[in-house]
Amino acid sequence: DVKVTQSSRYLVKRTGEKVFLECVQDMDHENMFWYRQDPGLGLRLIYFSYDVKMKEKGDIPEGYSVSREKKERFSLILESASTNQTSMYLCASSRHTGSGGYTFGSGTRLTVV
Amino acid sequence: QKEVEQNSGPLSVPEGAIASLNCTYSDRGSQSFFWYRQYSGKSPELIMFIYSNGDKEDGRFTAQLNKASQYVSLLIRDSQPSDSATYLCAVNIRGNTGKLIFGQGTTLQVKP
Repeated sequence: DVKVTQSSRYLVKRTGEKVFLECVQDMDHENMFWYRQDPGLGLRLIYFSYDVKMKEKGDIPEGYSVSREKKERFSLILESASTNQTSMYLCASSRHTGSGGYTFGSGTRLTVV
Repeated sequence: QKEVEQNSGPLSVPEGAIASLNCTYSDRGSQSFFWYRQYSGKSPELIMFIYSNGDKEDGRFTAQLNKASQYVSLLIRDSQPSDSATYLCAVNIRGNTGKLIFGQGTTLQVKP
């Protein structure tokens, strides 16, 4: 069964901590994405990557960075967590052309206290 | 104008009825269209995709695409309480980069 795996389902971190969210896919997809989802705001794209070591900013990149050292892994980094980064974080992957759409991971519910 | 628009709902239908969910998009060059279902607290799952004008059926679900009107819809026949969820419309805009543009989602409530 093909999968996108996010390392944590629930995470609680303190303000100012550096937070790493990991995402691994086993479908050999070229594209990987990080979204956050908040009530009433829908899915908002943080960063995406079309290839190894390549990244592009999405709609809300401030306060985040990403790393893609291997094709199957895409990491989201909160450099200094803040309470307004409390959210559901969703990782997704897709083929380069987009055919077949996205496969999403199960999500990480991050709470910053 | 938003690139992909959906009525946020909630759309309430009785069990056994047909639920009709609608989505419009702004980029006339859009090439592929997806419907995702998202249960509360869960991640979105793909339920239908459509690339060509017309209807595409899969079980109780039918996706309809009208590129001239820039309109895509999802029909759910014989709606069940288990269909209660938020339905996200997503569009792969021109350029075929693989990045989808999502609507805000429509919340469907199926009442027993």
